[in-house]
Amino acid sequence: DGGITQSPKYLFRKEGQNVTLSCEQNLNHDAMYWYRQDPGQGLRLIYYSQIVNDFQKGDIAEGYSVSREKKESFPLTVTSAQKNPTAFYLCASSAGGGFEAFFGQGTRLTVV
Amino acid sequence: GESVGLHLPTLSVQEGDNSIINCAYSNSASDYFIWYKQESGKGPQFIIDIRSNMDKRQGQRVTVLLNKTVKHLSLQIAATQPGDSAVYFCAVAFSGGYNKLIFGAGTRLAVHP
Repeated sequence: DGGITQSPKYLFRKEGQNVTLSCEQNLNHDAMYWYRQDPGQGLRLIYYSQIVNDFQKGDIAEGYSVSREKKESFPLTVTSAQKNPTAFYLCASSAGGGFEAFFGQGTRLTVV
Repeated sequence: GESVGLHLPTLSVQEGDNSIINCAYSNSASDYFIWYKQESGKGPQFIIDIRSNMDKRQGQRVTVLLNKTVKHLSLQIAATQPGDSAVYFCAVAFSGGYNKLIFGAGTRLAVHP
């Protein structure tokens, strides 16, 4: 079945550590996105990529980094520079601008 | 700047009633609009979309209305069921150059028997 997969579902990080969240899609989509969701809040865009080897900062990119070396993969690294990383992270993909985005099931990151 | 907002953070309805969830957006250049449903602890699921060349689009029990003059869209759910209880988000896309989806804050729909 085609879809978008995020792993792990739950992730715990110690302060000062970098962690990488995985996002893989087999939908042959060009565009991929990372969103952050805090409790009772909407989705805020962290980074997005419209094509392999290219990505753009979203509204809250500080403290995060991404790469897009393969079409199907768009990993997100939460660095130690992110002061409040505890949140629910959602990855999405779409065929491009003006097309619906399909979401993964999310990764809940907690700083301990 | 770009913003997408919702009029009501929580909507409570009786089972069988119709529900209307509203969304306002700020950028008149927006040309693609999507409604998503998110259940607790899960990723958002696509419900219905509409493009700026349309005013209305219907799906199964859902209708989206777009009023470009006042930059407002709504999601109507007919005969609301308990399984419709979730948070609903509108999302707006801006075509041209890099396209990105901007999400509203969400409305929680609570369906009571």
